[in-house]
Amino acid sequence: AQKVTQAQTEISVVEKEDVTLDCVYETRDTTYYLFWYKQPPSGELVFLIRRNSFDEQNEISGRYSWNFQKSTSSFNFTITASQVVDSAVYFCALSEWEAAGNKLTFGGGTRVLVKP
Amino acid sequence: EAGVTQFPSHSVIEKGQTVTLRCDPISGHDNLYWYRRVMGKEIKFLLHFVKESKQDESGMPNNRFLAERTGGTYSTLKVQPAELEDSGVYFCASSQGQGAIGTQYFGPGTRLLVL
Repeated sequence: AQKVTQAQTEISVVEKEDVTLDCVYETRDTTYYLFWYKQPPSGELVFLIRRNSFDEQNEISGRYSWNFQKSTSSFNFTITASQVVDSAVYFCALSEWEAAGNKLTFGGGTRVLVKP
Repeated sequence: EAGVTQFPSHSVIEKGQTVTLRCDPISGHDNLYWYRRVMGKEIKFLLHFVKESKQDESGMPNNRFLAERTGGTYSTLKVQPAELEDSGVYFCASSQGQGAIGTQYFGPGTRLLVL
């Protein structure tokens, strides 16, 4: 069975600090997809990134970067030079290729609070 | 292009009453998913439609929940009768394509409170 663990429930930083969110997953499939979503105070889930299990290259998008390591089953997310607008709950999710319908399994979420 | 929309944004009902949630997916998206997050828990999958057909309803908690997607467009999720443990946020998501993993785009959710 698939499982996603986000061990950090809440992280508080001061603006301009870097913050790294951990995500550890479990799956029996060799083909799977990993996602990060952001939930700002307004409540909607905003898609950030999708990565498949065959692509271990790290990715950078502006101040966001992701580190995918299959050896440790981790897909960590770093926000560089954090800003107040980054305050949100961030969810890591997994979808197995063989799972019917490609349903997402979510971690518990990490609340990030960026103080000015 | 309009995103996934959900109605209502909030609903407060009494135990035993019926509530119907609606989701309008992104135009052209065949896949429609329902998820929910009850207090203090993870976001959990409920079911998945491909067009008007239920592809996977393994996450539906019990027979008090009924989902429909008439004509393969919008979907409704009815809870009848509602119980206290049904309180939470119900999310809808949609994605393109069949047979491949498309990115799921989520709506803003419906916050349901059962008193």
